[in-house]
Amino acid sequence: EAQVTQNPRYLITVTGKKLTVTCSQNMNHEYMSWYRQDPGLGLRQIYYSMNVEVTDKGDVPEGYKVSRKEKRNFPLILESPSPNQTSLYFCASRMTGSPGELFFGEGSRLTVL
Amino acid sequence: ILNVEQSPQSLHVQEGDSTNFTCSFPSSNFYALHWYRWETAKSPEALFVMTLNGDEKKKGRISATLNTKEGYSYLYIKGSQPEDSATYLCAFRGGADGLTFGKGTHLIIQP
Repeated sequence: EAQVTQNPRYLITVTGKKLTVTCSQNMNHEYMSWYRQDPGLGLRQIYYSMNVEVTDKGDVPEGYKVSRKEKRNFPLILESPSPNQTSLYFCASRMTGSPGELFFGEGSRLTVL
Repeated sequence: ILNVEQSPQSLHVQEGDSTNFTCSFPSSNFYALHWYRWETAKSPEALFVMTLNGDEKKKGRISATLNTKEGYSYLYIKGSQPEDSATYLCAFRGGADGLTFGKGTHLIIQP
């Protein structure tokens, strides 16, 4: 089954404790992206990657890091989480070179105390 | 940051009625316009990807139109059913590869 898998789905952590949210897709998509969803705001892009070893900042990259060492994986790293990073995070992927749809993971709800 | 506006923000519709809502986006540098349906506790799923001015797409009771010259798209739902309750997101893709999402229209179908 074609899917985008995120882990963990839910996490409560404390300020400053490094964490990683993993994202993996099995559709051989070149493009992967991270979004955050906050009440009253649309999905906002954090980082995206056009292919292996190619990453770019989205609209709200501050406080986040990403890496793309393999095509299928695109982890989101919070080196020193802060309460304003409490949010619902979505990973998504699609083929490049087409106007094609995004395939979303199920979301990761993160709370930073 | 590009401006993608959706209206209304929320909408209550009686079961069986038809409804529509709007997405407006920049009329320059257009590449594609996406519509997604997002049910509570699930992930957004694509409804339509539209690329040409005048495009009309249909999936069952849901259809969408696109006007790239004036920068708007309409989503129509005919004969609303309770399972249509969801947030409907539109997303604009310009020349770059990122998608800019609107804030969504939250649709509630009342039995």
